[in-house]
Amino acid sequence: ETGVTQTPRHLVMGMTNKKSLKCEQHLGHNAMYWYKQSAKKPLELMFVYSLEERVENNSVPSRFSPECPNSSHLFLHLHTLQPEDSALYLCASSQDRDSADTQYFGPGTRLTVL
Amino acid sequence: SQKIEQNSEALNIQEGKTATLTCNYTNYSPAYLQWYRQDPGRGPVFLLLIRENEKEKRKERLKVTFDTTLKQSLFHITASQPADSATYLCALEKNSGYALNFGKGTSLLVTP
Repeated sequence: ETGVTQTPRHLVMGMTNKKSLKCEQHLGHNAMYWYKQSAKKPLELMFVYSLEERVENNSVPSRFSPECPNSSHLFLHLHTLQPEDSALYLCASSQDRDSADTQYFGPGTRLTVL
Repeated sequence: SQKIEQNSEALNIQEGKTATLTCNYTNYSPAYLQWYRQDPGRGPVFLLLIRENEKEKRKERLKVTFDTTLKQSLFHITASQPADSATYLCALEKNSGYALNFGKGTSLLVTP
């Protein structure tokens, strides 16, 4: 399998649930990203990992907890979310964290919080 | 703060015409600017990158210009086709020097 994959593609959860989003890249890249995309809003960068080290945390609430166990895998752990957290969550990777690097996106997880 | 503006209204054009999308920015001095395409329910796909010392970049039917004085990039699709219908995103480097800030995107609809 090539590119960036994300699972699940769709997720419905209650506010008290705990769930995790998974991202895997098969491109040999060193940097991985989580973005949130809400309707009518630009992509919001949430977290950046470079060589498994978190290098940016964009003032994201603690109910979102990222994990990068190795350079190919990225998780976003979710707990006690709010309805306004419903959005498309996109994972991306790039060769390095240089802004000139092309970012390769996964298909996203459509999250609905009830 | 850094701000990126793209045409908020959808652009409707007829097949065969040239589509021109605009990206304006403020409080940036980017060394690079990127354009991505996004289809509904999918992740963005990279199209072109243009550097600050390049005035123009072409790839097949796509052309991007970058005017650092006007703080503007124009994205052109020539001989447009219905398959070009999508949302097009402009992205600039964050002031931190890595990662990207994206504009809201402009929706393009090409009708036969």
